[in-house]
Amino acid sequence: QQQVKQSPQSLIVQKGGISIINCAYENTAFDYFPWYQQFPGKGPALLIAIRPDVSEKKEGRFTISFNKSAKQFSLHIMDSQPGDSATYFCAARPGSARQLTFGSGTQLTVLP
Amino acid sequence: DAGVTQSPTHLIKTRGQQVTLRCSPKSGHDTVSWYQQALGQGPQFIFQYYEEEERQRGNFPDRFSGHQFPNYSSELNVNALLLGDSALYLCASSLIREFTDTQYFGPGTRLTVL
Repeated sequence: QQQVKQSPQSLIVQKGGISIINCAYENTAFDYFPWYQQFPGKGPALLIAIRPDVSEKKEGRFTISFNKSAKQFSLHIMDSQPGDSATYFCAARPGSARQLTFGSGTQLTVLP
Repeated sequence: DAGVTQSPTHLIKTRGQQVTLRCSPKSGHDTVSWYQQALGQGPQFIFQYYEEEERQRGNFPDRFSGHQFPNYSSELNVNALLLGDSALYLCASSLIREFTDTQYFGPGTRLTVL
């Protein structure tokens, strides 16, 4: 019940295209859903996060869509750029705890 | 304003040895969490320290232990190292009174066990 399932494992997108990464969870106690971006040799950096009381959150080119009934959430990267090439992780956390449960990651490559 | 810092950057040990990794949290943060990230995987929660006490623990054996100091910095100790302990060890700091408790990660320590 603690798992967060992430797909796809890898994604190749042309510059200017839309990148979409999906995550699904089972634990209904999760109430905070962040997305992290990680470049090689670096630690994960918080991109954007959402709570389940809203269905969508947008920050610049990054949008989280959240479907509470389906227990799914996704990251959309609009106008993808080569500099967006990195590994993206979704995560989730129940309000009663502080630990983040991460998905397995998606390696995004944006072709110039 | 310095972010989360970790030392050392890389470390090579042999099986059975012990290792200590260090973390300094982001300025103003009072909580430190440790994660293990195996190659090609997402980070796995090890434990979290607040007010110098272990507050939560993930599914890791007792060989993994930690400490938090009065200045909020933290150490992760791993005893009796196994080959499977080879991973990137990440420290994340946060401010516990914030509801979302946003965690900011350091660059990690790459541990290789031979």
